[in-house]
Amino acid sequence: GAVVSQHPSRVICKSGTSVKIECRSLDFQATTMFWYRQFPKQSLMLMATSNEGSKATYEQGVEKDKFLINHASLTLSTLTVTSAHPEDSSFYICSAERTGPVETQYFGPGTRLLVL
Amino acid sequence: DQQVKQNSPSLSVQEGRISILNCDYTNSMFDYFLWYKKYPAEGPTFLISISSIKDKNEDGRFTVFLNKSAKHLSLHIVPSQPGDSAVYFCAASTRGAQKLVFGQGTRLTINP
Repeated sequence: GAVVSQHPSRVICKSGTSVKIECRSLDFQATTMFWYRQFPKQSLMLMATSNEGSKATYEQGVEKDKFLINHASLTLSTLTVTSAHPEDSSFYICSAERTGPVETQYFGPGTRLLVL
Repeated sequence: DQQVKQNSPSLSVQEGRISILNCDYTNSMFDYFLWYKKYPAEGPTFLISISSIKDKNEDGRFTVFLNKSAKHLSLHIVPSQPGDSAVYFCAASTRGAQKLVFGQGTRLTINP
């Protein structure tokens, strides 16, 4: 299957700081990438759709000024959690859409964010 | 409003037997369905998908069945292996593989 990487895998930060998470598709180009959030023992919730060369599309209830998304190239999307607070602590997962005979999203390994 | 539901939070199956994971959905506009496998602290791994124009898709040990009238899909794994132990998520979409809506997941345990 296709490979999607995320960096960092784990980050601990102080309340009020900003954290940047990178998502890269390593062996294919992705016009569209997605950012999800997963709380413990819950499902993945789509936060936003990241489109290369244009603004991200945010799901209802997700603050776009809080979660800044940049899709600078066909292989890189970044999520910046601005002025992080303890309630932002979560598991953030990105995915990249791969079109072709089988359409699917390939997921990164996730980033565990802990805000103290 | 949970549009995709996996009503069994867990399932235990003996090694070698068939594992059947179920998923129900409420949105009749969904036309593409996927199954993912997930280990703790990792991202989901794509297993198999099915379009609404089909009622069955098979890939090796994995088969997905879709019953549109019942708004139900299932994943069959046969024979089940210890490495299949993980959490399985079904997902649905109205736009190909975009804007996936995930179920809550079912934890599958394969017993030796």
